[in-house]
Amino acid sequence: DTEVTQTPKHLVMGMTNKKSLKCEQHMGHRAMYWYKQKAKKPPELMFVYSYEKLSINESVPSRFSPECPNSSLLNLHLHALQPEDSALYLCASSQDPGQGSYEQYFGPGTRLTVT
Amino acid sequence: GEDVEQSLFLSVREGDSSVINCTYTDSSSTYLYWYKQEPGAGLQLLTYIFSNMDMKQDQRLTVLLNKKDKHLSLRIADTQTGDSAIYFCAETSNTGNQFYFGTGTSLTVIP
Repeated sequence: DTEVTQTPKHLVMGMTNKKSLKCEQHMGHRAMYWYKQKAKKPPELMFVYSYEKLSINESVPSRFSPECPNSSLLNLHLHALQPEDSALYLCASSQDPGQGSYEQYFGPGTRLTVT
Repeated sequence: GEDVEQSLFLSVREGDSSVINCTYTDSSSTYLYWYKQEPGAGLQLLTYIFSNMDMKQDQRLTVLLNKKDKHLSLRIADTQTGDSAIYFCAETSNTGNQFYFGTGTSLTVIP
């Protein structure tokens, strides 16, 4: 099973709303990632969690707040977003580096629209 | 960060072979990957190659790596309309945590 699931599939929120994106994997992977992808562009890395600890934050604004409650779950809490934050948000997971190849498995994404 | 470049568009006829190219700058890359993204979907891992290999074949897919020229290619044999998508190459940093994605190549297969 190489499945990463993400909910919701689509989300429309106003600039004053608070919402959360969820990601789940049951492959025993210990590294999880959030990416932001604009149309026809490559994914941009936002955050990396390794063994449930935040290891990389790519200078993401504080209106995005990640959380990794356990090794299978990854959340992204959203608050006071701007219209330019509208994008496809992708979650991915991989085995911890040092245990072989590092291929990342991606979820289907959450299409976020900020109005 | 590392630069990973791809040509933006490729158009082929159904049944022909497609070759998608990628160049990168990081000479310490350990693994290089090819992902496929269909409209509105996430990224699907197609294949990957370790940097000490120069070729890998997996059914209709052939990956060629020229480490000296830092050039990676993906050949799709007998291209089908279902292969129409955006293809991203990617390479990892030494830690393996950080992927550097190419700009993406939009493949259109003409029936």
